[in-house]
Amino acid sequence: QKEVEQDPGPLSVPEGAIVSLNCTYSNSAFQYFMWYRQYSRKGPELLMYTYSSGNKEDGRFTAQVDKSSKYISLFIRDSQPSDSATYLCAMSVMPGTYKYIFGTGTRLKVLA
Amino acid sequence: KAGVTQTPRYLIKTRGQQVTLSCSPISGHRSVSWYQQTPGQGLQFLFEYFSETQRNKGNFPGRFSGRQFSNSRSEMNVSTLELGDSALYLCASRVGDEQFFGPGTRLTVL
Repeated sequence: QKEVEQDPGPLSVPEGAIVSLNCTYSNSAFQYFMWYRQYSRKGPELLMYTYSSGNKEDGRFTAQVDKSSKYISLFIRDSQPSDSATYLCAMSVMPGTYKYIFGTGTRLKVLA
Repeated sequence: KAGVTQTPRYLIKTRGQQVTLSCSPISGHRSVSWYQQTPGQGLQFLFEYFSETQRNKGNFPGRFSGRQFSNSRSEMNVSTLELGDSALYLCASRVGDEQFFGPGTRLTVL
């Protein structure tokens, strides 16, 4: 079993929809959680990061962490065609190591 | 501020050859990590360098090695290439807890 599981999709939604992207993990030592967005033929770019359980909001994006269930989510409100990309969750044990463990990514397509 | 740069962007090699990939981190970043990205396995951590020292290592065979220079630039070397080494190799530089990726080097092994 992988340490981090992520539904590969693809996920197709109409423009304006709320998108929910999820990851589960097995290592309870993970303390630092990140979401990356990767466009085709580009490197991943950091969208959001958080240390704590609960919600963190940044514009149309909300990251949610539930450490008791070992589950993290990224919500995208008012989705746009430009949000079409692969979304990767990542996590690491803190402090001490920066060996990030990534999910395999969810492909999202927002239809105009 | 310039981002992370990687050279070359594309490489084609044959089995048994070796390859060296280069990464220049964002100015002022001293930590450089390398990842392998494949469709089946996703992004897998190779190793991290900080101030010319390897600090963390993933679960890859010894054919994969790296180094970091005093200017924080890093190189990754893969010897005796195998077909399964075909992948996108990503370099990332980090400051604090924020990690920034380069565009990657697409390696194809024939």
